[in-house]
Amino acid sequence: NAGVMQNPRHLVRRRGQEARLRCSPMKGHSHVYWYRQLPEEGLKFMVYLQKENIIDESGMPKERFSAEFPKEGPSILRIQQVVRGDSAAYFCASSPPRPSYEQYFGPGTRLTVT
Amino acid sequence: QKEVEQDPGPLSVPEGAIVSLNCTYSNSAFQYFMWYRQYSRKGPELLMYTYSSGNKEDGRFTAQVDKSSKYISLFIRDSQPSDSATYLCAMSEVGNTGKLIFGQGTTLQVKP
Repeated sequence: NAGVMQNPRHLVRRRGQEARLRCSPMKGHSHVYWYRQLPEEGLKFMVYLQKENIIDESGMPKERFSAEFPKEGPSILRIQQVVRGDSAAYFCASSPPRPSYEQYFGPGTRLTVT
Repeated sequence: QKEVEQDPGPLSVPEGAIVSLNCTYSNSAFQYFMWYRQYSRKGPELLMYTYSSGNKEDGRFTAQVDKSSKYISLFIRDSQPSDSATYLCAMSEVGNTGKLIFGQGTTLQVKP
């Protein structure tokens, strides 16, 4: 049973470009979460999605960041007009419908903004 | 004040030692408590999962929750060099959307 898959594993973008991060949940999981890990900091919740629905986006920055989880295909975290402060590791997790607290993480995408 | 406090360490112990890792929290609504292990440049791996107070054991790992003190612990018996990693505690409220609040993580090194 494949785990949570994320791609790309490493992404380099210049300031002002767009970054697209993809996440495919574990088989049988319908809930997806995105977290960000800044250097020397813990993981910070960004957004929680189910298929075609954003359930909780309380951790998302108000501008430039968006997320989706379409009916078909992976979940996408999009960062527009990236700045150096966006450089971080972005992790996706998935869970079964219940319990939603039992979350399994992917290997992460390390974004570097130059 | 952070919702979840965790000493970042580093913590260095000899192989075979008993390791105690701890977190404190301020939000009395937290009911679900998790421990994750994260190797360098990898994703967090779920180790233990407990609900409310009490103990849970899984092999060499024991998780304890003391809600009255707002204090959780992870004990590792017979520690091995392969246990060297960063250990993250995480918590969530009942009825919440599944949003996990993480501690900063404690870096553990087990020396052969």
